[in-house]
Amino acid sequence: EVHLVESGGGLVQPGGSLRLTCTTSGFTFGNYWMHWVRQVPGTGLVWVSRIKNDGNTTSYAESVKGRFIVSRDNAKNTLYLEMNSLRADDTAVYYCARVGIDYSYDYWGPGTQVTVSS
Amino acid sequence: DIVMTQSPDSLAVSLGERATIQCKSSQSVLYSSDNKNYLAWYQHKPGQPPKLLISWASTRESGVPDRFTGSGSGTDFTLTISSLQAEDVAIYYCQQYYFTLRTFGQGTKVEI
Repeated sequence: EVHLVESGGGLVQPGGSLRLTCTTSGFTFGNYWMHWVRQVPGTGLVWVSRIKNDGNTTSYAESVKGRFIVSRDNAKNTLYLEMNSLRADDTAVYYCARVGIDYSYDYWGPGTQVTVSS
Repeated sequence: DIVMTQSPDSLAVSLGERATIQCKSSQSVLYSSDNKNYLAWYQHKPGQPPKLLISWASTRESGVPDRFTGSGSGTDFTLTISSLQAEDVAIYYCQQYYFTLRTFGQGTKVEI
């Protein structure tokens, strides 16, 4: 059974850093593109970043470009999101999502809360 | 960026009645090479991750009840719940995956 679980969220001050981890199981992680999506409380879903299955291609939303870094360790079946220079508007629930064979998100993690506040 | 606009923002439907959600994209998400619409619908309930309902605009995922139907092409899409059940109360999002920068609609809250 496919499982994705995010961790690493928490409360951080503006300008601080956090590293989110998405631990996966139940599938061949190295065969799939992975994405990060976030949801600000009371608003909708927003795409954040993506990484190719081999880790050689990454993309970012303009709002996080230059501050966030997505990476993966296929040997550990794990996805990461390094978040730097955090701002209040980065406060959100962060989800990792697997891109299925039909290019939509077929599996999601339960999400991890990131709160940026002094 | 491609903008996805859903309507309405919310709707209240009686049990057993039909719910219809519209999604309009600012650019076509129909890929001419494979004649597929790169459009998905997700259901999102509080405290849970989003759930994929429909891909390619009209392909229902395995296990999704057949009361959920997706239709449309190009820039205009519809999600129809033919007979609303209590467990369908949720926020529904369309998403285009035609472009690298994937975008979601703002969501439609469906209530009883």
